[in-house]
Order: sequence, then C-alpha cells, then structure tokens
Amino acid sequence: EDQVTQSPEALRLQEGESSSLNCSYTVSGLRGLFWYRQDPGKGPEFLFTLYSAGEEKEKERLKATLTKKESFLHITAPKPEDSATYLCAVSLDTGRRALTFGSGTRLQVQP
Amino acid sequence: GAGVSQSPSNKVTEKGKDVELRCDPISGHTALYWYRQSLGQGLEFLIYFQGNSAPDKSGLPSDRFSAERTGGSVSTLTIQRTQQEDSAVYLCASSLVGIQYFGPGTRLLVL
Repeated sequence: EDQVTQSPEALRLQEGESSSLNCSYTVSGLRGLFWYRQDPGKGPEFLFTLYSAGEEKEKERLKATLTKKESFLHITAPKPEDSATYLCAVSLDTGRRALTFGSGTRLQVQP
Repeated sequence: GAGVSQSPSNKVTEKGKDVELRCDPISGHTALYWYRQSLGQGLEFLIYFQGNSAPDKSGLPSDRFSAERTGGSVSTLTIQRTQQEDSAVYLCASSLVGIQYFGPGTRLLVL
C-alpha cells in the first residue's frame, strides 16, 4: 500500500534555530514529490516539487531534498512567519494524478 | 492572477440535508480535484476531472457524494443526506501540468 509518513508531528523552534522536517514514502512508483505550506484556515500553498533522487530546490529559508526513500525540508534560521503546517505529498506513475498526502508537520517558531 | 476560489467559505447544515459546494478553478487549468481534510487527518482524495475524460471517482467515500464539472470549468461537489462524519474542510485544486493549486476550502459542519 502506498504510504507517506511525516515526522515529527509537531516541532517548536526558537527563531534562528535551524532544523529539518522528514517525509518518508513507500510507493510503487514515484512520479513526483510535493511540499506545501498550510496556514490555519487556508488552503495548502505550493512550495516545491521534486522528481528524481538527488534533486534539490531552494526558496528563501527553505530547501527541499529528495532521496529514493525520503525527502527533507530544511529550514535555515527560521522566523516566526515560517510557523505553519508543512505537508508532503506524492504523485504516482500509475497514471493516477491525485496526490497522496502525509499528515503534516506543525511548525511553531517562537521569537 | 486569480487563484482557485471556493464557495461558500463556511457551511453549517443539519444532518440529513443536502449541500452543494462550488469550485472555480484557475482559468485555463484543465484538471480539477476535490479533497477532504478532516480534523487531525491528512488530505484525502475524492474525485478528479481532466478535460472531457470520464472523472476518476475512486476516492468518493459513498454514493451520497457526487460531483460534476460544467463546461470544463466550474465544479460542484454535492453531498446528499449529510451525516456528522461528513464534517470537514473540502478543498478544491486545479492544475495545468503537474502542480496542483488549492483554493481556501469550504468548512462544512453537520449538526
């Protein structure tokens, strides 16, 4: 069964304290891996998509990496405005276009 | 440009009533998705439309759920005879190639 697991469930950081969020996946065939950010009461906001092992993408304080079994979202020197839930999702090469989501990591960055 | 819009933003209904949720995708996007996000759970795929092809209904939880997409644009998700377990945030997304862009969601509460 295709599965996406995110850890930790929740993470509290001090402003400037770098850390990483993990997304491990067990799927029959990966087409792409997506990271989204979701603020309370809003829909997910697209951050990155990764397609092959070794690929990296960066945007401001965020950097996403991909291996054959997992992806990491590295947050460097976070700020309070980075507080949100970060969602990982995969699309499969079966032709099905729907995303399979993990349950998310709730990040809180304290000033 | 305009993003995905959904209406209503909030809906409170009584058990047994029917509800209709609307999604306006990004102009030009050929694919449209409905997901459900229950409290404390990840996003769950419901249904997918791609152009004029038959929709992928594999995620609909019961025959009380249905959706249509008119003119390749606006979509309506209908839940008949609502139950309390239908309470959730219903999210719509659209895409042209690969990346899914989400709307703000409709928060449904069934009393």
